[in-house]
Amino acid sequence: EPEVTQTPSHQVTQMGQEVILRCVPISNHLYFYWYRQILGQKVEFLVSFYNNEISEKSEIFDDQFSVERPDGSNFTLKIRSTKLEDSAMYFCASRGGAGNQPQHFGDGTRLSIL
Amino acid sequence: AQSVSQHNHHVILSEAASLELGCNYSYGGTVNLFWYVQYPGQHLQLLLKYFSGDPLVKGIKGFEAEFIKSKFSFNLRKPSVQWSDTAEYFCAVSRVSNTGKLIFGQGTTLQVKP
Repeated sequence: EPEVTQTPSHQVTQMGQEVILRCVPISNHLYFYWYRQILGQKVEFLVSFYNNEISEKSEIFDDQFSVERPDGSNFTLKIRSTKLEDSAMYFCASRGGAGNQPQHFGDGTRLSIL
Repeated sequence: AQSVSQHNHHVILSEAASLELGCNYSYGGTVNLFWYVQYPGQHLQLLLKYFSGDPLVKGIKGFEAEFIKSKFSFNLRKPSVQWSDTAEYFCAVSRVSNTGKLIFGQGTTLQVKP
């Protein structure tokens, strides 16, 4: 079964540094998402992406965050200047474009900000 | 604002016991409903989904859920749990005709004792 893959599995970064989290969605999917889960809290929506643009973003997704689909296969989440509170598990998800389809999730990237 | 509430944070059962995990959502419009499971160290996997039709939906591994529109509920059930069902379970909702973003409940940790 096709999978969503995320790299790296664990990223440790100094506060204030830029970080890029990478995702390869399922190849024929059209909708892409990022979610995060702070330890002990619920999974929260960050952003959705369709047709090469952001279709919706949450309040969490401020100017420090950006997403890109640079080459038709990768889907990246960039945090420009990381803060301690950005430490979380970040999940990428994708879904197909035909009618109602569930989202398929990657294994996540654990981001630790020091 | 849309929200999802899971009543049980931590459930401990013995093997062969029956399981019911509660999920309620707040949104007056048409929704799609999901249960995802996260086994230790793994990604979120879809257990089952409801889009329309029969409100009793069957998923993988013997799980089922019933959508009761009047109660805004989508409870997950399994008649006889196994040790391998030990995992975290997430209820999620998305609005129909939206970007498909998922709103998650806070999750329920299920521990099944052999």
